[in-house]
Amino acid sequence: ETGVTQTPRHLVMGMTNKKSLKCEQHLGHNAMYWYKQSAKKPLELMFVYSLEERVENNSVPSRFSPECPNSSHLFLHLHTLQPEDSALYLCASSQDERAYEQYFGPGTRLTVT
Amino acid sequence: AQTVTQSQPEMSVQEAETVTLSCTYDTSESDYYLFWYKQPPSRQMILVIRQEAYKQQNATENRFSVNFQKAAKSFSLKISDSQLGDAAMYFCAYRSAYLGTYKYIFGTGTRLKVLA
Repeated sequence: ETGVTQTPRHLVMGMTNKKSLKCEQHLGHNAMYWYKQSAKKPLELMFVYSLEERVENNSVPSRFSPECPNSSHLFLHLHTLQPEDSALYLCASSQDERAYEQYFGPGTRLTVT
Repeated sequence: AQTVTQSQPEMSVQEAETVTLSCTYDTSESDYYLFWYKQPPSRQMILVIRQEAYKQQNATENRFSVNFQKAAKSFSLKISDSQLGDAAMYFCAYRSAYLGTYKYIFGTGTRLKVLA
């Protein structure tokens, strides 16, 4: 379970705050992903990075800003969020963009007040 | 666009018994992968089993097996000899096999309860 780590595990923020979620993978993978998991809804892919280049951006509002400084680290910068953004945010990695298996982190439970 | 449907929000099974979780999908592609992921209360999602669409043989991993019906676009998961540790959310997922495709399509999940 230590292959993909996420911090913090829980985050409560006001709508005017700025915060960042961090993901780190220790698997030597080249692709990293951000997902949003809301209750009773399918996982929503937000962003995909391959070799630090963003290759997928699924119509995510600009209040979510990803950053991938290297292939081991992925950030999700948050600002002026809405209460409906409260969810579990999952990070995942895979060997490359063609690898079919993804390895997931434990997630960050975000609550926007 | 591809879709994945899990029609059972919740299932229960007695310990040591067998349970089958249903999944149907829709796609116009001929080459793809199908997966079952498990998300226990600790939240870390792990891969349970995968199936390549070009393979007719159903995948098996220990107590977990699938019934893959390509024509019917059905992909069910059978858990034999259920254990308390099998209690979790189970997600069915689809991924295109075409190069340059990064997107997984997930179902809404089935919560499995295992009764002692």
